[in-house]
Amino acid sequence: TQLLEQSPQFLSIQEGENLTVYCNSSSVFSSLQWYRQEPGEGPVLLVTVVTGGEVKKLKRLTFQFGDARKDSSLHITAAQPGDTGLYLCSGTYKYIFGTGTRLKVLA
Amino acid sequence: GAGVSQSPSNKVTEKGKDVELRCDPISGHTALYWYRQRLGQGLEFLIYFQGNSAPDKSGLPSDRFSAERTGESVSTLTIQRTQQEDSAVYLCASSPGVWGQGYTFGSGTRLTVV
Repeated sequence: TQLLEQSPQFLSIQEGENLTVYCNSSSVFSSLQWYRQEPGEGPVLLVTVVTGGEVKKLKRLTFQFGDARKDSSLHITAAQPGDTGLYLCSGTYKYIFGTGTRLKVLA
Repeated sequence: GAGVSQSPSNKVTEKGKDVELRCDPISGHTALYWYRQRLGQGLEFLIYFQGNSAPDKSGLPSDRFSAERTGESVSTLTIQRTQQEDSAVYLCASSPGVWGQGYTFGSGTRLTVV
């Protein structure tokens, strides 16, 4: 049983488009993190969300933690080729990571 | 050090051989994790060390896999009698050990079993 499901699994979009990726669970998390992994590198922490309903912004990236702290979303505005990578969510339970969303932004 | 350092960065080994992978965590980080990432896949948890507590080995896929950590320093992941299905990138991460603190990952060791 996968505790953290991410969708979509793959996403290929044109530069300038907006997109949203999702991280869903049936479990409640005390906090949740989002990471981005580029080829040949380890994942890099983007943000930690802690409070239900919390919204955090990091330049063109907007992260939201669900009110019930079971889900989260990542919205990217005006995507750029530099946003290409594997996006992973991680919850504070058994050190697990989500299934990942592989994003490719075409110039 | 400034970041998490893993060595070697690449390892090619023959099926049946033993391999050792090394991880140097960030100084002061009490928690250390090993993950496996198969090609095109997500992260599979292997083992977790927290200070001097007994490690959580619940993710190790078989008894061919083992890991050690001396105090809050270097860790080694050992795979005995390697199989082709062990081919993957092995990632190490460390954290301050407080819930909610994110992980800092190394760049990984790419293991290829031929």
